[in-house]
Amino acid sequence: NAGVTQTPKFQVLKTGQSMTLQCAQDMNHEYMSWYRQDPGMGLRLIHYSVGAGITDQGEVPNGYNVSRSTTEDFPLRLLSAAPSQTSVYFCATNPGLGVGELFFGEGSRLTVL
Amino acid sequence: KQEVTQIPAALSVPEGENLVLNCSFTDSAIYNLQWFRQDPGKGLTSLLLIQSSQREQTSGRLNASLDKSSGRSTLYIAASQPGDSATYLCAVRLPSYGNNRLAFGKGNQVVVIP
Repeated sequence: NAGVTQTPKFQVLKTGQSMTLQCAQDMNHEYMSWYRQDPGMGLRLIHYSVGAGITDQGEVPNGYNVSRSTTEDFPLRLLSAAPSQTSVYFCATNPGLGVGELFFGEGSRLTVL
Repeated sequence: KQEVTQIPAALSVPEGENLVLNCSFTDSAIYNLQWFRQDPGKGLTSLLLIQSSQREQTSGRLNASLDKSSGRSTLYIAASQPGDSATYLCAVRLPSYGNNRLAFGKGNQVVVIP
């Protein structure tokens, strides 16, 4: 039982490049989210999904796309990377609205040059 | 807008002392509150989850209390150990339907001195 798995753990991009951060969970949770963590800013919600086929924007969605074709996977796409997107990205899941703990992946550290 | 504050940002305590960490939030209309631990370079690990109807939760040496009316939660760690050194974050879940939003504090960075 792996929980929440994020890949890659580290990535360096050049400005303008695109990439996808992968998130997979094996807990059959309906809700999945992407956060970014920056020094002095805390954790901020980028996008979230309440189930397969349903996604919505969080606090800081600009520059990111998501999709949710299966319960297990929730990839985060950076369309054209910018230095401001240098951050640590966390995927998180929880079983239901308003109930249950939030489980986090180990994080993906992204540097945009 | 829900604001979550954790003060102090950093603290050091000698091994064996009890740790008391505070979390304040501005809007009492919350679903629940969760305490997490984060080790350097790692993800967040859930410690305790308190539902809005509960006053406290306990797990081993950890106890968390919730006072919604005053907008406060306190995490107690009894008999601290060097292995308790980490950053502790609290997060409140907001009650909007279909919304998985949590508001996070910025954390208390704790060092337990052997």
